[in-house]
Amino acid sequence: AQTVTQSQPEMSVQEAETVTLSCTYDTSESDYYLFWYKQPPSRQMILVIRQEAYKQQNATENRFSVNFQKAAKSFSLKISDSQLGDAAMYFCAFTSGTYKYIFGTGTRLKVLA
Amino acid sequence: DTGVSQDPRHKITKRGQNVTFRCDPISEHNRLYWYRQTLGQGPEFLTYFQNEAQLEKSRLLSDRFSAERPKGSFSTLEIQRTEQGDSAMYLCASSHGQGRVGLDSPLHFGNGTRLTVT
Repeated sequence: AQTVTQSQPEMSVQEAETVTLSCTYDTSESDYYLFWYKQPPSRQMILVIRQEAYKQQNATENRFSVNFQKAAKSFSLKISDSQLGDAAMYFCAFTSGTYKYIFGTGTRLKVLA
Repeated sequence: DTGVSQDPRHKITKRGQNVTFRCDPISEHNRLYWYRQTLGQGPEFLTYFQNEAQLEKSRLLSDRFSAERPKGSFSTLEIQRTEQGDSAMYLCASSHGQGRVGLDSPLHFGNGTRLTVT
């Protein structure tokens, strides 16, 4: 079975500092896609960043970057220069290219002013 | 592009009643998903439509649940004989793509319908 595990229920970061959110997954597939989604309080979930497993280069989107370790099945999200607007639930997600996206249980990120 | 719209935003119902939720995806999106999210959990996959065809249903979807997407546009999710365990946020998401899921446009989520069964 394919699973996604986020072991940090909650993280805090000081404004302007850097924080890393962890995610591990389990699959027997060799080709798949990984995502980080952000869910602000009472707002829609939005895509933060996407990584294709066949790409060795880690994806980056402005202040957001990932550390993708395929052998270790690890996919962490680094947020640099944290801003108050980054406060949200962050979900790691996986799809092997079939229909289903599998989400982790989420990490609540608090940004301290 | 007005985004994915879900209606109603909140629904309170008594155990045993039937409820129906509606999702209007982004107009050009051919893929539509329903997810269920309970407090402290990530979204759990319920079902997937490609155009009007329902291509996958989760085992979570008991025979009390039914979903449709007539004409490949809006979708409805009906829960019959609701139970307290059905209380959750029901999320709809859509995307556009022809090939492997994951390569297509990102999932666009609606605001969800929060169901409370008393």
